[in-house]
Amino acid sequence: GQNIDQPTEMTATEGAIVQINCTYQTSGFNGLFWYQQHAGEAPTFLSYNVLDGLEEKGRFSSFLSRSKGYSYLLLKELQMKDSASYLCAVGGNDYKLSFGAGTTVTVRA
Amino acid sequence: DTGVSQDPRHKITKRGQNVTFRCDPISEHNRLYWYRQTLGQGPEFLTYFQNEAQLEKSRLLSDRFSAERPKGSFSTLEIQRTEQGDSAMYLCASSLLEGGQETQYFGPGTRLLVL
Repeated sequence: GQNIDQPTEMTATEGAIVQINCTYQTSGFNGLFWYQQHAGEAPTFLSYNVLDGLEEKGRFSSFLSRSKGYSYLLLKELQMKDSASYLCAVGGNDYKLSFGAGTTVTVRA
Repeated sequence: DTGVSQDPRHKITKRGQNVTFRCDPISEHNRLYWYRQTLGQGPEFLTYFQNEAQLEKSRLLSDRFSAERPKGSFSTLEIQRTEQGDSAMYLCASSLLEGGQETQYFGPGTRLLVL
């Protein structure tokens, strides 16, 4: 089975940086994904890591360490529209996704 | 819009009624997934298809739930004899499994409320 942990909530100020950590224990691994989900909406894909290291995509970066079962999502230059839930998901055997409960990020002015 | 679409977006039904949801994936995506999400939780895997073949059903999925993807394109998820515990957001996602990699793209979801 899969066990995925991430913090429940984080608050940060507009323009700041926030790092959301995710730890996982899985029986199979085919990549780690981060999704953004605004309230009442579907998750939207942000990033994918399958090899160790940092992947950068504009204001968002994601890091993976497979040996430690650890990933983080880094949000830079926070904007009000970044207030959302951020879901860490692991692709297991046959690529099915197992999700964490999500981290609600609140950006304050 | 060439994204994943779902219909209806909202459904209110009485306990004991049957409901059916539809998902239209991104064209040429060979995989289609159904997830269920309740408030404050991440999506939970229900079932998935590769083309028209249903490859796995979660143990979460009781016999009241059935899913089809008859021609390998759109899919339907039916819940028979609905219960209040079935109230949730039902999400569909599609992907193209290619070269040992895939990314799942989600539809807007169908929010079900069972009274």
